[in-house]
Amino acid sequence: EAGVAQSPRYKIIEKRQSVAFWCNPISGHATLYWYQQILGQGPKLLIQFQNNGVVDDSQLPKDRFSAERLKGVDSTLKIQPAKLEDSAVYLCASSSQGGESYEQYFGPGTRLTVT
Amino acid sequence: DAKTTQPPSMDCAEGRAANLPCNHSTISGNEYVYWYRQIHSQGPQYIIHGLKNNETNEMASLIITEDRKSSTLILPHATLRDTAVYYCIVRGPGSARQLTFGSGTQLTVLP
Repeated sequence: EAGVAQSPRYKIIEKRQSVAFWCNPISGHATLYWYQQILGQGPKLLIQFQNNGVVDDSQLPKDRFSAERLKGVDSTLKIQPAKLEDSAVYLCASSSQGGESYEQYFGPGTRLTVT
Repeated sequence: DAKTTQPPSMDCAEGRAANLPCNHSTISGNEYVYWYRQIHSQGPQYIIHGLKNNETNEMASLIITEDRKSSTLILPHATLRDTAVYYCIVRGPGSARQLTFGSGTQLTVLP
């Protein structure tokens, strides 16, 4: 079974520029999550999708961050404009719905550096 | 979801058992204890979870105290590849609920 795919793996941009990250979850997984992980900290949830609907975006800085999951499969997370404090690893995860499968499967992440 | 407390770091000799403690004194009756780990430059990886009973799988064992206020993750024969940050997470029922990560325990397995 293929895992969660993310691209790019690394990105360096200047502040005030825009950037987009892409995530392809495990086939058939209805729930998709985006986490932000700042160096030395645990991951923090930014947004959670159930199919193509948003379940929780309470910690998403909506003035600069946006995310979509068209057709309930792939997802894109965008930052516009970027700030220095957005430097972090952005992790995508997915999980199946229902039953005993409580595992979230994480991708390798995208390391963003804002200069 | 209840908060958890873990030591920031631990060392373990290769081949020995690694015992990682976690305190979750405010856990509710229907909340599960999950363990994930994150190897450097990788995404977190699920290890094991439990509610009341002790659990074992091919990776580890989870021991939960009778009052459920603390738990221990046991890696029976630690290898160098087990060096990682280990996160103990308490989460309510429902497979789609988010994970709230703390700072975890940095386990270093020494040769």
